[in-house]
Amino acid sequence: AQSVTQLDSQVPVFEEAPVELRCNYSSSVSVYLFWYVQYPNQGLQLLLKYLSGSTLVKGINGFEAEFNKSQTSFHLRKPSVHISDTAEYFCAVSDGGNNDMRFGAGTRLTVKP
Amino acid sequence: NAGVTQTPKFRILKIGQSMTLQCTQDMNHNYMYWYRQDPGMGLKLIYYSVGAGITDKGEVPNGYNVSRSTTEDFPLRLELAAPSQTSVYFCASSYAEKHNSPLHFGNGTRLTVT
Repeated sequence: AQSVTQLDSQVPVFEEAPVELRCNYSSSVSVYLFWYVQYPNQGLQLLLKYLSGSTLVKGINGFEAEFNKSQTSFHLRKPSVHISDTAEYFCAVSDGGNNDMRFGAGTRLTVKP
Repeated sequence: NAGVTQTPKFRILKIGQSMTLQCTQDMNHNYMYWYRQDPGMGLKLIYYSVGAGITDKGEVPNGYNVSRSTTEDFPLRLELAAPSQTSVYFCASSYAEKHNSPLHFGNGTRLTVT
């Protein structure tokens, strides 16, 4: 079965600074990769997904992620963060079945003024 | 534009009590899921359903039961609550299999078992 490791549990950054949230996965088959964001007291929302094609995926709110098959990574980046980006971010991997989407433990991004 | 609605938002149970967490969606999605979220652990799938009348176990089903009598509703039942079931529970739905369409999540139910 596949698994996901988010390498940082907390990432503090200053407003307008760039940020990278790291995600590595393991799987023996082709995968689909996702980033979800969770704002306080809310459910998760899809930020972006990689299914196939271009390895650079653009999502909502200026976020993007790059699929790197050789390094089994799917890191999330934003060139300039805002206070409103403060949230928890989850990386997830699926091989296409119904019950096989695995989530990472989450990275709490805190943007400071 | 309700999406996925979960009730209640909060609940405190005593050990051994039972309760049902309600989940309803108004998007006519076939696929529905129950996850639990524990600090530092991400989300774990409890049960899922691919349509009315069809349910299946996820990664952590022990201590829970579900039913899916309609497309809209997917309640989660705890029969004998245990402290290990203290968690935040999320219901989600999707139009198709997870890799083809995004999951739509409810706002969660925070359950404490003491």
